[in-house]
Amino acid sequence: GENVEQHPSTLSVQEGDSAVIKCTYSDSASNYFPWYKQELGKRPQLIIDIRSNVGEKKDQRIAVTLNKTAKHFSLHITETQPEDSAVYFCAASRKTGTASKLTFGTGTRLQVTL
Amino acid sequence: DGGITQSPKYLFRKEGQNVTLSCEQNLNHDAMYWYRQDPGQGLRLIYYSQIVNDFQKGDIAEGYSVSREKKESFPLTVTSAQKNPTAFYLCAVGGNTIYFGEGSWLTVV
Repeated sequence: GENVEQHPSTLSVQEGDSAVIKCTYSDSASNYFPWYKQELGKRPQLIIDIRSNVGEKKDQRIAVTLNKTAKHFSLHITETQPEDSAVYFCAASRKTGTASKLTFGTGTRLQVTL
Repeated sequence: DGGITQSPKYLFRKEGQNVTLSCEQNLNHDAMYWYRQDPGQGLRLIYYSQIVNDFQKGDIAEGYSVSREKKESFPLTVTSAQKNPTAFYLCAVGGNTIYFGEGSWLTVV
């Protein structure tokens, strides 16, 4: 099955700096790569996703890049703010019938300090 | 996300008891999922369903059971066979993009 590795497990940056979180996946058939933000005690919220026919996607301060050959994808957050502090999860999946079975990384705890 | 309702939010289970977590959606999605999250860890897939009257095991199905009698509903039963049931349980829906409910906290007492 799919295996997703995520690094680093914790990341501390100063407000205004950039943060980068990296993930690798094992199944070359995976074609969908979402990123979720989870605040303490809350549900994961989708913040950005990318499909395998695209190399990069950007939404305001957040961007995701995908390298299919190397089987890795990354989340980039620019101009970080204190409200960006949370745990971020990457995931990989491929569609099976009507379902997309997500395999998650173990998460990165991002702390943005003033 | 607002169209996915999980209940109860908090649940306590005694040893040897079965408990059922409810998940209802009004988003008209065929696919529904149950994930388990342990403190400080990622999410692991328990069961998923692609359509009414269908469900398939995920990575950690042992000690759990599900049913899908209606498109809107996908309840999860945590049986007494699940040895470490204390966790945060998340229901999700979607085929191309996956959205999560607010979760249910289950604690064994």
